[in-house]
Amino acid sequence: QVQLKESGPGLVQPSQTLSLTCTVSGFSLTSNSVHWVRQPPGKGLEWVGAIWSGGSTDYNSALKSRLSISRDTSKSQVFLKMNSLQTEDTAIYFCTLDPYWGQGVMVTVSS
Amino acid sequence: DVVLTQTPVSLLISLGGQASISCRSSQSLVHSNGNTYLHWYLQKPGQSPQLLIYQVSNRFSGIPDRFSGSGSGTDFTLKISRVEPEDLGVYYCLQRTHNPYTFGAGTKLELK
Repeated sequence: QVQLKESGPGLVQPSQTLSLTCTVSGFSLTSNSVHWVRQPPGKGLEWVGAIWSGGSTDYNSALKSRLSISRDTSKSQVFLKMNSLQTEDTAIYFCTLDPYWGQGVMVTVSS
Repeated sequence: DVVLTQTPVSLLISLGGQASISCRSSQSLVHSNGNTYLHWYLQKPGQSPQLLIYQVSNRFSGIPDRFSGSGSGTDFTLKISRVEPEDLGVYYCLQRTHNPYTFGAGTKLELK
């Protein structure tokens, strides 16, 4: 049974770095890609980036200078790190392996 | 980056009625391998998105045949016939042909 679960701090201060973890089960990270998608409150979905089965990554053009996605296959975890956070980064962050989605984690950027 | 323009922004439909959502791409979504990676999702209130249609017209497992997808190149349509209360929410198209992937802005389906 495929499952994904996001975890991380609910509150981050402006200019700080966000670190999120997606813990997966029921599939291998070396055979599947995991994507991050975010959704600001009351707004639409935004593709953030992905880590592919071979370990390479792709990022949203607007975020790539601040974004890093990595993984630890031994722990079945995928990590998202985004630096220089601003209030506009406040959103629910989802990890997904189509068609499976995590429940999302709300991240608020505020002092 | 590919821009997906979804119309309308919102739809008011009566129960049992039909809804049609358009997703137009700023460039062709035909991949070099010949496939077209245009997908449709529904996000119900308070839930994560769920996959409805993949690669233009393929219904995902368990999705009723009231949902149908069509289109090619840059123009795509999602049709929902015999709308039921469980169909309410926001519909998104997503292109996975070109990196970076991009979503449409969403179409909110509400009951009249």
